[in-house]
Amino acid sequence: GAVVSQHPSRVICKSGTSVKIECRSLDFQATTMFWYRQFPKKSLMLMATSNEGSKATYEQGVEKDKFLINHASLTLSTLTVTSAHPEDSSFYICSAQTWQNTDTQYFGPGTRLTVL
Amino acid sequence: AQTVTQSQPEMSVQEAETVTLSCTYDTSENNYYLFWYKQPPSRQMILVIRQEAYKQQNATENRFSVNFQKAAKSFSLKISDSQLGDTAMYFCALSTTDSWGKLQFGAGTQVVVTP
Repeated sequence: GAVVSQHPSRVICKSGTSVKIECRSLDFQATTMFWYRQFPKKSLMLMATSNEGSKATYEQGVEKDKFLINHASLTLSTLTVTSAHPEDSSFYICSAQTWQNTDTQYFGPGTRLTVL
Repeated sequence: AQTVTQSQPEMSVQEAETVTLSCTYDTSENNYYLFWYKQPPSRQMILVIRQEAYKQQNATENRFSVNFQKAAKSFSLKISDSQLGDTAMYFCALSTTDSWGKLQFGAGTQVVVTP
């Protein structure tokens, strides 16, 4: 149980285009989802917290107009990287938690974004 | 502000031996959780072990155990009988109950298990 999927697993796009990454909780309802960014050989950095049906809360330094997050249902959150640039190339990981168990996060397998 | 510090960038251990990874943290909160996550080359984050701060007993999960020293704000991970499949990046993480489960990660320690 507690499986989180991400789609796509990897994506290559041209500079200036937008890319959408989906995060789904497959067998549970996720009241809260988190989006992390991970640079090569570095740690995970929290970008934003999204709660179902409300606006995402962004961490300091993360551009909310650049990284659009939508959490429209209890099983789906999306991250859209708008007007992508090469510096946005990174590994993006989502995680999900339930209201019953807020001390445990279930991680997706990640999405590798490469912007040319 | 919360901080998590892992001072060992890389550790090497032979198969069947024991390795200990260090982690120190800082928080002003009283209620919090500490975690060790494993990230193998596949990049999938896997929960290894977790510890509730209010529990004095150290958590164990099979070959993995922690040494939780609350006063010293130290949370080390011991991997016993190391196996080749333990080769991965290991992250220490902190979550406080007032921050909706947000995880603050340390920089990570790369563990390499050699035959």
